[in-house]
Amino acid sequence: EVQLLESGGGLVQPGGSLRLSCAASGFTFSAHAMNWVRQAPGKGLEWVSGISSSGGNTFYADSVKGRFTFSRDNFKNTLFLQMNSLTAEDTAVYYCAKAAFGLVGATASDYWGQGTRVTVSS
Amino acid sequence: DIQMTQSPSSLSASVGDRVTITCRASQSIDRDLCWYQQKPGKAPRLLIYAASSLQTGVPSRFSGSGSGTDFTLTLSSLQPEDFATYYCQQSYSIPLTFGGGTKVEIK
Repeated sequence: EVQLLESGGGLVQPGGSLRLSCAASGFTFSAHAMNWVRQAPGKGLEWVSGISSSGGNTFYADSVKGRFTFSRDNFKNTLFLQMNSLTAEDTAVYYCAKAAFGLVGATASDYWGQGTRVTVSS
Repeated sequence: DIQMTQSPSSLSASVGDRVTITCRASQSIDRDLCWYQQKPGKAPRLLIYAASSLQTGVPSRFSGSGSGTDFTLTLSSLQPEDFATYYCQQSYSIPLTFGGGTKVEIK
């Protein structure tokens, strides 16, 4: 059974940093690209970042480019999203999601974690 | 970036109704379109990929169609568990982009 378990969310002050993790199991982790998608309170879905199966290629939404870093550890089957210079606009539930097809790039996401909540507030 | 426009933003329907949701892309995305269902407090669930392919485990009352810029998600006979918000997403190019969502409510 595919499982994705996010952690690391919480309350952080504007300008602060947070590191999210996503532990994956139930599939060949190193064979799949992965994504982070967020959802602000009462709003729709927003793609944040993607990473290739090897971790050699990363992609970012303009809204987070230069502030967020997506990485993965294929030995520990874990994803990481380092978030710096956080603002109130980053307040959201953050989901990690498994790419349905392909090693890199644009794809549907066939499995999602339960999400971790990030609140940026003073 | 490719913009995805969904309509309507919300609708009210009864159990047994046929429901259609549309999604329009700002440029051609071939058939690189997927649909998700999301219930309150839950993660999205993939329903349809490649415009019309049913994800494993999804009931056959869900169907998708379209290509190029115009796509449709159809629920042939609405069931109580189908009341949720539905999102389209283009899988043609990075950045991935979603439609604004369609909330299906009980009439």
